[in-house]
Amino acid sequence: DTAVSQTPKYLVTQMGNDKSIKCEQNLGHDTMYWYKQDSKKFLKIMFSYNNKELIINETVPNRFSPKSPDKAHLNLHINSLELGDSAVYFCASSLGLSGGNTIYFGEGSWLTVV
Amino acid sequence: GESVGLHLPTLSVQEGDNSIINCAYSNSASDYFIWYKQESGKGPQFIIDIRSNMDKRQGQRVTVLLNKTVKHLSLQIAATQPGDSAVYFCAERGMDSSYKLIFGSGTRLLVRP
Repeated sequence: DTAVSQTPKYLVTQMGNDKSIKCEQNLGHDTMYWYKQDSKKFLKIMFSYNNKELIINETVPNRFSPKSPDKAHLNLHINSLELGDSAVYFCASSLGLSGGNTIYFGEGSWLTVV
Repeated sequence: GESVGLHLPTLSVQEGDNSIINCAYSNSASDYFIWYKQESGKGPQFIIDIRSNMDKRQGQRVTVLLNKTVKHLSLQIAATQPGDSAVYFCAERGMDSSYKLIFGSGTRLLVRP
């Protein structure tokens, strides 16, 4: 059973399109995250949600809009895709926000914008 | 597929040798640190963590050392195996209300048979 699952794993799309990446965790965690990993492997947080409430919005362009319908799901919608959005996007979850809670990552979604 | 992290520092070790991966962290106020392992095509996987009130913690074949004076973290892997080949990231957790996890730039470990 995959603890944090995200779909699709691979996505190739044209500039200007709108796309979504879905994420679900079956760990019963309260906190979920989206991270972006660039071509140099640098991992940076984009958003975090705790019990469906936005906690971190790390100066991400407003073309990126996270949606948390319930605490087990955190979807990422991207409008008007740009070439620079090409990256690997990782969903993650943790028991809660407080320091010391291990963050569990999904397998990643490889987004290529052409 | 996965793009190659061409700019990643790389550590190459012989199978069976010990590996030491180093990391410098940025915030002297951070009080929780984690090492993650990322295999090709997969997400980061938790290896071991340490709180700032400790300077050493051991797991199975792995040891994390923390030197708060110089803001340095290291991961030691004993008897390195081919399955240890991956990119390793250190991360620090800030103590503001967001408890944001900040990742280091990563080190690629290559294990030679």
